[in-house]
Amino acid sequence: NAGVIQTPRHKVTGKGQEATLWCEPISGHSAVFWYRQTIVQGLEFLTYFRNQAPIDDSGMPKERFSAQMPNQSHSTLKIQSTQPQDSAVYLCASSLELGPYEQYFGPGTRLTVL
Amino acid sequence: GNSVTQMQGQVTLSEEEFLFINCTYSTTGYPTLFWYVQYPGEGPQLLLKVTTANNKGSSRGFEATYDKGTTSFHLQKASVQESDSAVYYCVLVPNTGNYKYVFGAGTRLKVIA
Repeated sequence: NAGVIQTPRHKVTGKGQEATLWCEPISGHSAVFWYRQTIVQGLEFLTYFRNQAPIDDSGMPKERFSAQMPNQSHSTLKIQSTQPQDSAVYLCASSLELGPYEQYFGPGTRLTVL
Repeated sequence: GNSVTQMQGQVTLSEEEFLFINCTYSTTGYPTLFWYVQYPGEGPQLLLKVTTANNKGSSRGFEATYDKGTTSFHLQKASVQESDSAVYYCVLVPNTGNYKYVFGAGTRLKVIA
């Protein structure tokens, strides 16, 4: 079991460019979550999916952020027109089922916007 | 709304000292509570979980007790080791059917050998 895989581990973009972050959840897990981690805000929920369907995206900045889960083996978080304030570690997590259960986190993608 | 408060931003201890990290929460009803630990360069990983059914959790020498009266969920360890140095997060999952985690601000533990 390789755990949750996130690629790339580090990404540097220029202001205004697009960034796509990838997540491969643990095989057989039906729920996938995205979080953002910064020193100032800490760990913040962004969005989650159950069986590939979006359930709650209340944490997503509305204008430039989008997330998809086209199949059970991967999810993407896309940030259009990146801004310096988007610099953060983006964490993906999965759990076997949706509920008050353990979430398994990937190592994160560190996004730096210059 | 739902919130978790960890007032201690950093704790520094010597090896074999007692650890106590405060956590209080605010939500409706009785949530499920977790402690997660995060090492540098890694995502958070589960340390322990407590529900209203069991009230107390323990793992790797760490203990936490769910106190509904004071809405607290403090983390303790009798004797810390240098390898315990990490960031510890208190996490709440409301019982409202929305299962997104609510994280505390985190407490950075530094253990000096």
